[in-house]
Amino acid sequence: DIQMTQSPSSLSASVGDRVTITCRASQSISRYINWYQQKPGKAPKFLIYAASSLQSGVPSRFSGNVSGTEFTLTINNLQPEDFATYSCQQSYISPWTFGQGTKVEIK
Amino acid sequence: EVQLVESGGGWVQPGRSLRLSCAASGFSIDDYGMHWVRQAPGKGLEWVAGSSWNSDDIGYAGSVKGRFNISRDNAKNSVYLELNSLRVEDTAIYYCAKETSSGWKGDFDYWGQGTLVTVTS
Repeated sequence: DIQMTQSPSSLSASVGDRVTITCRASQSISRYINWYQQKPGKAPKFLIYAASSLQSGVPSRFSGNVSGTEFTLTINNLQPEDFATYSCQQSYISPWTFGQGTKVEIK
Repeated sequence: EVQLVESGGGWVQPGRSLRLSCAASGFSIDDYGMHWVRQAPGKGLEWVAGSSWNSDDIGYAGSVKGRFNISRDNAKNSVYLELNSLRVEDTAIYYCAKETSSGWKGDFDYWGQGTLVTVTS
């Protein structure tokens, strides 16, 4: 199975900050990575697919990038509603696997 | 509006069985792959099982293969997950998730609110 390693596991940031979360795959997955946002007690929300494509309705302050087997999710101008846990997921090959999540907390 | 509503969770003893249901509305599951993803308390997400629109592609995580069974009733617009030989480590919130396509792509664009399964003696 492909292992997805996310870092950091948590971070503290202020409203207006720029935040970057990294995900590394244990093998090449091309651009087959998705990003999800999850708030406490809620279902995950589909943010980004194919490494950098924004799902409909997702604000443009969210962006995704890829460099080799390293993938990043960047949130520009962090808003109060962005404090949540973010998870990456490879969609290259089944079994589909997720990173362990990054909790973005208010500083 | 796309909605997925899971049911069937609860408390169960190790070794017993449970059947989860996912009722879809706002779209026809005929046209989409459907999956189950779980989240153990305080842990990350784990894909459990999935089925393409016509069940030609069905897959399971290694941790549940041979114990869990996914099925779908397109006429009832519902997906099911049968959990057998349950273990304490199967304790989790189980989410139903919709694929973005009919096939086997692993892109989950809509999720239900989840149903909690607690396996304990």
